[in-house]
Amino acid sequence: AQSVTQLDSHVSVSEGTPVLLRCNYSSSYSPSLFWYVQHPNKGLQLLLKYTSAATLVKGINGFEAEFKKSETSFHLTKPSAHMSDAAEYFCVVSDLRTGANNLFFGTGTRLTVIP
Amino acid sequence: DGGITQSPKYLFRKEGQNVTLSCEQNLNHDAMYWYRQDPGQGLRLIYYSQIVNDFQKGDIAEGYSVSREKKESFPLTVTSAQKNPTAFYLCASSTPQGLGTDTQYFGPGTRLTVL
Repeated sequence: AQSVTQLDSHVSVSEGTPVLLRCNYSSSYSPSLFWYVQHPNKGLQLLLKYTSAATLVKGINGFEAEFKKSETSFHLTKPSAHMSDAAEYFCVVSDLRTGANNLFFGTGTRLTVIP
Repeated sequence: DGGITQSPKYLFRKEGQNVTLSCEQNLNHDAMYWYRQDPGQGLRLIYYSQIVNDFQKGDIAEGYSVSREKKESFPLTVTSAQKNPTAFYLCASSTPQGLGTDTQYFGPGTRLTVL
């Protein structure tokens, strides 16, 4: 069965320092993995997705994530945090068997950026 | 501009009343989805529709109903049978590409509060 674990419910960084949001997944089949960002009272915006091509995926706003099959991880990183990055981030998995009809969402990581 | 619109942004309902949330997309996507989001949790799938005049229950369909009479529209009715309807509701759409690689695009959400 598919599942996603976001290891930190809350991450706090200073502006200009690196960001690391951790995600581990469980999937019996070749997974597709996504990171979405949600600003307060807004919908979700796709940051990036992995679909079995290059393992290092670059997304919008300077974010990137690396798919590591051996570690079943898909951590999200950014070299330098900006105040506008403060938001909730969701790691999501789907796979060959379930398709897009059944995405599995992590419980989210709230990123705080300190000036 | 192409996108997904949800209305209203905020909705208040008295207990025992049915209420319908609107979702419209002009992205020409075949598939549409409704999710519910509660504080500190990821999104949970209520209903989805892959084509017009067809829809399937998601993980938490009890107390909800949908229709898909037009490709662009996928309204969600929250009925009085839904025991805890206060939540943030998100609509999404996608173009099925198979193999679980679809990207879902989200609307801005409707916050429903039951008084």
